[in-house]
Order: sequence, then C-alpha cells, then structure tokens
Amino acid sequence: DTAVSQTPKYLVTQMGNDKSIKCEQNLGHDTMYWYKQDSKKFLKIMFSYNNKELIINETVPNRFSPKSPDKAHLNLHINSLELGDSAVYFCASSQDTISPWNPNEQFFGPGTRLTVL
Amino acid sequence: SQKIEQNSEALNIQEGKTATLTCNYTNYSPAYLQWYRQDPGRGPVFLLLIRENEKEKRKERLKVTFDTTLKQSLFHITASQPADSATYLCALDTGGFKTIFGAGTRLFVKA
Repeated sequence: DTAVSQTPKYLVTQMGNDKSIKCEQNLGHDTMYWYKQDSKKFLKIMFSYNNKELIINETVPNRFSPKSPDKAHLNLHINSLELGDSAVYFCASSQDTISPWNPNEQFFGPGTRLTVL
Repeated sequence: SQKIEQNSEALNIQEGKTATLTCNYTNYSPAYLQWYRQDPGRGPVFLLLIRENEKEKRKERLKVTFDTTLKQSLFHITASQPADSATYLCALDTGGFKTIFGAGTRLFVKA
C-alpha cells in the first residue's frame, strides 16, 4: 500500500562505483522528482519528469542520470560515485506539474541513504 | 534567486503550549507557501498550503499565516503534544515548475 517506494533504503559503496536507486509510485500521478538532502538538511531538487518527459534538470553533475520507463517509475543512476555524493536521496510525486497557479502537494518516498567510502 | 530562512535552532516547548515556527523569504513574493513535516529517517509529509491572497489557513490544531508585506509565514501548533516533535519544512514556489524548501526547524515537545 506504500504510495511512493524506493529501493534500497541504505546503500554503502566505494568511490568510483556505479549504483542505481529505484522509485515507484502507485498514486497515478503524472509528475515525479528526485531530491538530495545533505547533512545540513537542505532538500534540493535534482530532476523532475512529467509523463516520462524531463522538465527540470538542475545543476547536477552528468554522472547522475534519471530514467523514467513509465510514469509510475523514476530511477536514478549514478556513475563514478564521489565522497560528496553521500546524502539521503528522496523520490517524490505529485498529481501534475507544479506551477504558481497549481501548487500540487508532493508525496515523498522514505529516502535512500547513500554512503560513499 | 529566492531564499528561505527558517530558525536553525531547535524549538523546545512544554506539552500543551503553542509552538510557533517562522519562515522568512527574500526577493519576490511567492504565489503559495507550503508546510511539510519530516520525522527522522522518513520523507517529508505535506501539511498545509496557503496562497498569496490568503492571510490565514487552519487545519485542526495547525494554523498558518502568510504576510506578504513582511515576507513571512508563521506556523502554529496549538495544544502541542510530544507526538508533534519533528522537523517542519517551509516550501514555496519559484514562479516555475518547482518548489524550494527551507532547511527546517526542529521542534521538541516535552511531556
């Protein structure tokens, strides 16, 4: 019954490795997001997809590549992991694209704590 | 660019009192402002939305105000309970397709 689910919950890996985080939502939403929450607790948006199309791509290293096989899934692949990538990554979804006149609430997953050694 | 400031210090209050959390923003006035709650080890959960033309919004023991002159929103929890202990995040629109989040204020309610 989980609305937004992410796997894995914890990910510990060595520098230079490639890893993926999976996200699925069963809410029937059209828009999905990836956020990074660092040690100072700031939640920063990385990517947003609407109906499988990329609509937001913040200043994120191109080692990070999102993939949306369908509108219920948004996966995050990270190449050549670095120490600074250690953080908690949250997937989220909303009914539709956020706009000033349509402030869709976002539903967040439980987070994936990534630790790069 | 838009910036959000929330009290970085934790807020400690006694059970039964009213907790008041502050969210200040710079630059342009957002069309809306949202408050989320985040518990340790979990994702944020949406609580309330207030639009620029609304002064106040209530939901059960929660109340949010929006003062576009002061560029500030206040989040109140009345009759606070230990279960209200969490981090509360302010989020607002950027005029585009995303919201930005503050770093949050940690609230501790003592029994």
